[in-house]
Amino acid sequence: EAGVTQSPTHLIKTRGQQATLRCSPISGHTSVYWYQQALGLGLQFLLWYDEGEERNRGNFPPRFSGRQFPNYSSELNVNALELEDSALYLCASSFSSGLAGGEQYFGPGTRLTVT
Amino acid sequence: AQSVSQHNHHVILSEAASLELGCNYSYGGTVNLFWYVQYPGQHLQLLLKYFSGDPLVKGIKGFEAEFIKSKFSFNLRKPSVQWSDTAEYFCAAEDSNYQLIWGAGTKLIIKP
Repeated sequence: EAGVTQSPTHLIKTRGQQATLRCSPISGHTSVYWYQQALGLGLQFLLWYDEGEERNRGNFPPRFSGRQFPNYSSELNVNALELEDSALYLCASSFSSGLAGGEQYFGPGTRLTVT
Repeated sequence: AQSVSQHNHHVILSEAASLELGCNYSYGGTVNLFWYVQYPGQHLQLLLKYFSGDPLVKGIKGFEAEFIKSKFSFNLRKPSVQWSDTAEYFCAAEDSNYQLIWGAGTKLIIKP
């Protein structure tokens, strides 16, 4: 069974540009979570999508947005990139929350570098 | 706000030493608790979880954790570590919105 996949592996952008990151969940999973893992800061929750809807978002500005498609894959968009957005962005998927009790399966991440 | 605290950011041990990594959570209600591990160059993966029942839970690779409700703790233990246990360990608690609240992580280095 294929795991969670993310693309691209690495992304280099300049300040002010937009970045788009993609995630494909494990087959059968309907929830997708996005996290930012900046150096030394652990995982910071960004967004949670379930059944195509945004269920919750973390304490990030509105320039961080995303969506979930009918096939449950997801896209994270970061507009007006700032240097401090440089981080590893992790995607995780799970069965619809409340059933699996939060057990999440993670992808390898996209390393975003803003110069 | 709910939070998860991991006491040590870096731990260095020799092989065969015993390990205990601390984790405390602030949520007072029913809580589901997790330990995840990230080996060098690999994805985050679930090590073990507690939902209910026996407060001593066993996970993969000889790890175990004990849920102590009175202390709001969920410490990770292993009686004898191996070099291959070198990794970063994350504690997480599920809040009432079914969202995981994460600790900052503990980097464990095992000296051969």
